[in-house]
Amino acid sequence: NTKITQSPRYLILGRANKSLECEQHLGHNAMYWYKQSAEKPPELMFLYNLKQLIRNETVPSRFIPECPDSSKLLLHISAVDPEDSAVYFCASSLGQAANTGQLYFGEGSKLTVL
Amino acid sequence: QQKVQQSPESLTVSEGAMASLNCTFSDGTSNNFRWYRQHSAKGLEVLVSIFSDGEKEEGRFTAHLNRANLHVSLHIREPQPSDSAVYLCAVSMGTGGLSGKLTFGEGTQVTVIS
Repeated sequence: NTKITQSPRYLILGRANKSLECEQHLGHNAMYWYKQSAEKPPELMFLYNLKQLIRNETVPSRFIPECPDSSKLLLHISAVDPEDSAVYFCASSLGQAANTGQLYFGEGSKLTVL
Repeated sequence: QQKVQQSPESLTVSEGAMASLNCTFSDGTSNNFRWYRQHSAKGLEVLVSIFSDGEKEEGRFTAHLNRANLHVSLHIREPQPSDSAVYLCAVSMGTGGLSGKLTFGEGTQVTVIS
């Protein structure tokens, strides 16, 4: 899906700070961060609807989301831990009415923590 | 808390035969059901979404939903080797922006042999 772009696609870190970026060109109002660890299904981390944080799942405080406008989503990570090694997917949906169609995912940012 | 379980864990089918995957969920108030496909180390591709009891067809993929039985299935007609992937069932109880808060099953690894 080239309409949701994520960067960087691959990231190798020691205990450092880094930000993941996502931008969607679908005109959607809701955006999400999902984390997928190896051999596991994706799990929701954060959800924004109309730039407001709606649901903040139980994730470590070193993960801080930011939604500067309705088409952009950032995930700031400070002092990463080896357990943070995973693929981080950005997703978006229309979010204006019940059962509003599809949830589209980006290609993911693969984080490897040394 | 929503629990989503998929069966079988893995499935090998011959090219051209029908493939059937099952998914059960625990919360009867769920109202969004989606099937995704994930090729190795790739993003998630939505196949079919279904919001009411009955059947929904998208190309060679057909979903059947029976909310009274807490069950949704996916049938792949005339599978091809390129359909080999992990198939993920995703369930949501939300509407609007919350419709993207998906709980995923563990997935079914489908292998299509010639």
